[in-house]
Amino acid sequence: AQSVTQLGSHVSVSEGALVLLRCNYSSSVPPYLFWYVQYPNQGLQLLLKYTTGATLVKGINGFEAEFKKSETSFHLTKPSAHMSDAAEYFCAVSDKTDSSYKLIFGSGTRLLVRP
Amino acid sequence: GAVVSQHPSRVICKSGTSVKIECRSLDFQATTMFWYRQFPKQSLMLMATSNEGSKATYEQGVEKDKFLINHASLTLSTLTVTSAHPEDSSFYICSARAPLGGNTIYFGEGSWLTVV
Repeated sequence: AQSVTQLGSHVSVSEGALVLLRCNYSSSVPPYLFWYVQYPNQGLQLLLKYTTGATLVKGINGFEAEFKKSETSFHLTKPSAHMSDAAEYFCAVSDKTDSSYKLIFGSGTRLLVRP
Repeated sequence: GAVVSQHPSRVICKSGTSVKIECRSLDFQATTMFWYRQFPKQSLMLMATSNEGSKATYEQGVEKDKFLINHASLTLSTLTVTSAHPEDSSFYICSARAPLGGNTIYFGEGSWLTVV
């Protein structure tokens, strides 16, 4: 079964600093990979996804993520944090062999941005 | 972009009653919708996969008789929490797959259920 691990339940950075949120998946066949953001009491918004092709994926709000098969990772980065980036971030995977495309989520990482 | 709407956004019901939450895809047809449950400060737990015109597929440990899912049309899925109890209080989120949009999954805004 697919699973995804997010290291660090909380990450705190200063405004303007680099953001790095970690995500590792566990499956022999690389799944589809996603990053979602959730603001308080709201649903989820897709930041970016990797399905095939270029391993460096650019998303909205200046975020990007790189798929590294050798490390089974899909870490999310942003060069310079904004106060508005403070939110909960979820990495998710979807099994390529599952025609339903259901998403399995990691435990989430809360990003705190200090002024 | 694609929009998924959930209604109601907040609902309070008495213990023992049933409550229905609707999930609609507003500008695309969704043959597959998903229902998740999220406890405060926790991740989303997939409850079931809802396919239009067929029975939902429930994840292990989810009571199908308690959480009734109906996907009667390509734009509407409903989750009914039957005989609700306080422990059913949670944030319920639906999502819908857009097959013509690269199978991207779009999420609703979620529904807060409080059972008193």
